[in-house]
Amino acid sequence: GAGVSQSPSNKVTEKGKDVELRCDPISGHTALYWYRQSLGQGLEFLIYFQGNSAPDKSGLPSDRFSAERTGGSVSTLTIQRTQQEDSAVYLCASSLRYEQFFGPGTRLTVL
Amino acid sequence: AQSVTQLGSHVSVSEGALVLLRCNYSSSVPPYLFWYVQYPNQGLQLLLKYTSAATLVKGINGFEAEFKKSETSFHLTKPSAHMSDAAEYFCAVIPANFGNEKLTFGTGTRLTIIP
Repeated sequence: GAGVSQSPSNKVTEKGKDVELRCDPISGHTALYWYRQSLGQGLEFLIYFQGNSAPDKSGLPSDRFSAERTGGSVSTLTIQRTQQEDSAVYLCASSLRYEQFFGPGTRLTVL
Repeated sequence: AQSVTQLGSHVSVSEGALVLLRCNYSSSVPPYLFWYVQYPNQGLQLLLKYTSAATLVKGINGFEAEFKKSETSFHLTKPSAHMSDAAEYFCAVIPANFGNEKLTFGTGTRLTIIP
C-alpha cells in the first residue's frame, strides 16, 4: 500500500518568505507527527495530531511555525518569515498506535 | 522526562564482522524502544521495536536488539555486516503509557562498512 508522502521533496526559498510543506499520511492512520532534522539539533519533535484532539504543539520552535490537519488526513506545516536557521529536513510520520511510519521528508533551504 | 543516549556517533566495521550499536535510555518506567535506519536522502525506516513483550527482538535485514532493564540498554546487533548496512541508525523512545506518543531520538550513529 501507499506510504506517507510529502511534498515538495526540496524547497529553496529566500529569507523572509513563507513556505508550506505538505504531508499525506497512510490512509486510516489517526496520528500524524512532524519532526525536524538538522545538523546541529538532530531529530526534533515539532507537533502531533491525534484524531480530533487538540494538537500537541509543544515542539514548535517559534510562533512563526504552525500546522493544521484537515479532515483528519492531510497536514500542512507552515513557516512564516523564514530564517536561515529554519533550513533542515522536515519529516512527517503517521501511526495507528505507537509504530510510526515516516515519509521521505522535505529538504528546506533558506537563502 | 525520557531520553536516549547513543554511544559513538561513528562506527566502522569490516564486511562480515559483528555490528554493535549502543543505546541507553533514561526513563522512570520502562518505555517502548525503537531502532530506525536512515539511508542517504531518505526518510526513517523502522528496523525493530520493543513493546514490553519478548526482551530479544528480531527486526528486518538480520538485525536484532535485546532490552535489558538492569542496564537500561537496548543495543542493536547484527552478526555479519553487509555493505548495504551502511547508513545512519537512530534509537528512539516513547512512554509506555500512551499519554503522548511523540518519539524522542538519540543523536544517531553513522555506520560505515569497510570492504
